Amino acid sequence: QVQLKESGPGLVQPSQTLSLTCTVSGLSLTSNSVSWIRQPPGKGLEWMGVIWSNGGTDYNSAIKSRLRIGRDTSKSQVFLKMNSLQTEDTAIYFCARNYYSDYWGQGVMVTVSS
Amino acid sequence: DVVLTQTPSTSSATIGQSVSISCRSSQSLLDSAGNTYLYWYLQRPGQSPQLLIYLVSSLESGVPNRFSGSGSGTDFTLKISGVEAEDLGVYYCMQATHVPYTFGTGTKLELK
Repeated sequence: QVQLKESGPGLVQPSQTLSLTCTVSGLSLTSNSVSWIRQPPGKGLEWMGVIWSNGGTDYNSAIKSRLRIGRDTSKSQVFLKMNSLQTEDTAIYFCARNYYSDYWGQGVMVTVSS
Repeated sequence: DVVLTQTPSTSSATIGQSVSISCRSSQSLLDSAGNTYLYWYLQRPGQSPQLLIYLVSSLESGVPNRFSGSGSGTDFTLKISGVEAEDLGVYYCMQATHVPYTFGTGTKLELK
């Protein structure tokens, strides 16, 4: 059974770095890509980036300079790190299997506030 | 970046009514290999999105066949033939032909 679960701090201060983890089960990171998508409160979905099965990455051009996606295949974990956070980065952050997101995690709410 | 514009932004329907949602792309989504990477999702209130349709018109496993997708190039449509109460929520299209991938603006389906 494919499962993805996001974890991380619920509150981050402005200008700080956000670190999130997506722990997967029922799938191999060397055979599947994993995407990150976020959704500000009451707004639409924003594609953030993807880590491919070979470890390569692609990012949203609007946040590319602040974003890094990595993984630890031995722990079945994918990581998201985004620096210089601002209030507009407040959102629910989702990870999903594959570049076309056929399985989604439940999401984690991140609030950027002092 | 590719912009996906969905219309209408809100659709009101009665149970059993058929509805269509349009997704128009600022660029052709047909790639050089002849593939079109256009997907449809439903996000019910308080839930994560769910994949409904992949590659324009293929129904994801477990999705009722009242959902169908069509289109080509820059114009795509999701049709629900006979809305049921569980279909209410926000529908998004997404393109994965051009990096960065992008989502549509969303269409909220509500009960009339």
